[in-house]
Amino acid sequence: DIQMTQSPSTLSASLGDRVTITCRAPQSISSYVNWYQQRPGKAPTLLIYAASNLHSGVPPRFSGSGVGTHFSLTISSLQPEDVAIYYCQQSHSPPHTFGQGTKVEI
Amino acid sequence: QLHLQESGPGLVKPTETLSLTCSVSRGSVSSGDYYWGWIRQPPGRGLEWIANIYSSGATYYNPSLRSRLSISMDTSKNQFSLRLSSVTAADTAVYFCARRTQMAAIILSDVFDVWGQGTMVAVSS
Repeated sequence: DIQMTQSPSTLSASLGDRVTITCRAPQSISSYVNWYQQRPGKAPTLLIYAASNLHSGVPPRFSGSGVGTHFSLTISSLQPEDVAIYYCQQSHSPPHTFGQGTKVEI
Repeated sequence: QLHLQESGPGLVKPTETLSLTCSVSRGSVSSGDYYWGWIRQPPGRGLEWIANIYSSGATYYNPSLRSRLSISMDTSKNQFSLRLSSVTAADTAVYFCARRTQMAAIILSDVFDVWGQGTMVAVSS
């Protein structure tokens, strides 16, 4: 299995801050990374697919980048509704594993 | 808009079999180029993909759980189901059902784009 490693585990920032979460793969997985947001008590929702493509309806303050082994999710201006846990997921090789999650706090 | 709803027992005894059902509305499990899957999340922990079933009925399992898993589809009820045998406390989790599709970009990326709300299953005697 491809183990995805996210950092940091927890991130505390202020409203309006630019926030970046990273996700690393142990081998090249091209652009096969997706990002999900899980608000407290809710199911995950898709934010970004194929490393850098914004899913329909997701605010443009979210962006993704990366290729190969190093990926990142950026929130350009942190909003109260962005308090959540964020997960990366690789879809290069089954099983399509998730990172351990990054908790974003304000 | 597609809606998925999980249903299950809530509490299962160790060594027994867990059975979960995902009811699909405003869409069909048997049409389109979709997979239907299960993902679980132990309390306070991350997400683990369990299994998928294709609209044609083909099945795919997480190798770490394969020996205990069975996923099936009932097109007449527009549902798909999961059975996990010989459960232990380690199987305690919120179980989500979801639709997997391919999103077209430079590559075709498999994503879970619609999720159910999840159902909590505790394994305890």
